[in-house]
Amino acid sequence: SQTIHQWPATLVQPVGSPLSLECTVEGTSNPNLYWYRQAAGRGLQLLFYSIGIDQISSEVPQNLSASRPQDRQFILSSKKLLLSDSGFYLCAWTSGQGVEAFFGQGTRLTVV
Amino acid sequence: QKEVEQNSGPLSVPEGAIASLNCTYSDRGSQSFFWYRQYSGKSPELIMSIYSNGDKEDGRFTAQLNKASQYVSLLIRDSQPSDSATYLCAVMTPSGYSTLTFGKGTMLLVSP
Repeated sequence: SQTIHQWPATLVQPVGSPLSLECTVEGTSNPNLYWYRQAAGRGLQLLFYSIGIDQISSEVPQNLSASRPQDRQFILSSKKLLLSDSGFYLCAWTSGQGVEAFFGQGTRLTVV
Repeated sequence: QKEVEQNSGPLSVPEGAIASLNCTYSDRGSQSFFWYRQYSGKSPELIMSIYSNGDKEDGRFTAQLNKASQYVSLLIRDSQPSDSATYLCAVMTPSGYSTLTFGKGTMLLVSP
């Protein structure tokens, strides 16, 4: 069966510090991968999606970047965090187009 | 711009009652529809998917889709306190690379 791992679960970082969140999927090959952010009281905002290695599209221009160095690994990064980057970050995968997405456990990021 | 609208709630129902959650979407080309349940502080988990007009039942859950009215709903029969959560409606439109657009969710409270 397929599983998705995301870490860390919680993170407190100072403003201006770098960020690296990692997500890996097991039990499938060539998944579509997604990074979402959920701010307090707001809906899920799609940040990045990837259909393959080094094929990444950005939905919202901002202080974040994403990379996919391996087929089942997706990384969200920032060089300098802003207070507005605080939120609940979720990695998700799908097996193709038009099918359901499955989420990792999420990372609660607080920028102080 | 793709939009998915949900009443934020909270929707309060007594234990054993039927909870009805509604969702409308703006993109008439949408073809895949999903309901997710999200407990506080946790990641969304898939409850139902529906792709064609009509009803789809799974245990206590029934999803209803009306593409002409651009409307999708979720009925929860015999509601339990453990059903108390935020329910997210998600819609996928197959234009370019398909991505899910989420509503902001409806909070459901089931009182014992």
